[in-house]
Amino acid sequence: AQRVTQPEKLLSVFKGAPVELKCNYSYSGSPELFWYVQYSRQRLQLLLRHISRESIKGFTADLNKGETSFHLKKPFAQEEDSAMYYCALMGPGGYQKVTFGIGTKLQVIP
Amino acid sequence: EAQVTQNPRYLITVTGKKLTVTCSQNMNHEYMSWYRQDPGLGLRQIYYSMNVEVTDKGDVPEGYKVSRKEKRNFPLILESPSPNQTSLYFCASSLDLSYNEQFFGPGTRLTVL
Repeated sequence: AQRVTQPEKLLSVFKGAPVELKCNYSYSGSPELFWYVQYSRQRLQLLLRHISRESIKGFTADLNKGETSFHLKKPFAQEEDSAMYYCALMGPGGYQKVTFGIGTKLQVIP
Repeated sequence: EAQVTQNPRYLITVTGKKLTVTCSQNMNHEYMSWYRQDPGLGLRQIYYSMNVEVTDKGDVPEGYKVSRKEKRNFPLILESPSPNQTSLYFCASSLDLSYNEQFFGPGTRLTVL
């Protein structure tokens, strides 16, 4: 069974400090991984996906198959980064079941 | 405007009274999905559909039905709602998931008494 673990429900950091939101997964095969973000009073939206190897709003995430991790990182947190962050996993192919983690609330302290 | 819409946005009902939550997208997306969001449990996928007349179970399908008769619509049906189905429900759509993001609806807050 596929599973996504986000071990921290809440992460508080000071503005300007580095951020790392942890995500570990369990999947027998080569999954596709995503980070979604939900800002206050807004819809859930895609932040980035591992297949694109992109950096969005200063965030990056590297898929580490050996450690089965897909941690989200940003070198300098900004107040507008405060939000709920969800890691998600899907089987390969584009039309599969999606499993989300329970989410981590990031609070950036001014 | 490209969007996913859900109706109703808020619903209070009683145990056993059948209800339908509608979901519609205007982006000609093939993939549509329903999730429920509960405190401490995050988002859990209920059902998804790869295209018209093609649906499959997600992680928590018990107590729910779906249909995909048209590409744009993907209603969620609760034949006999129970209090444990009180939740925030999200519909989402995507052209496909590998290269395209899921667009989420605004959510439907359901309370079953």
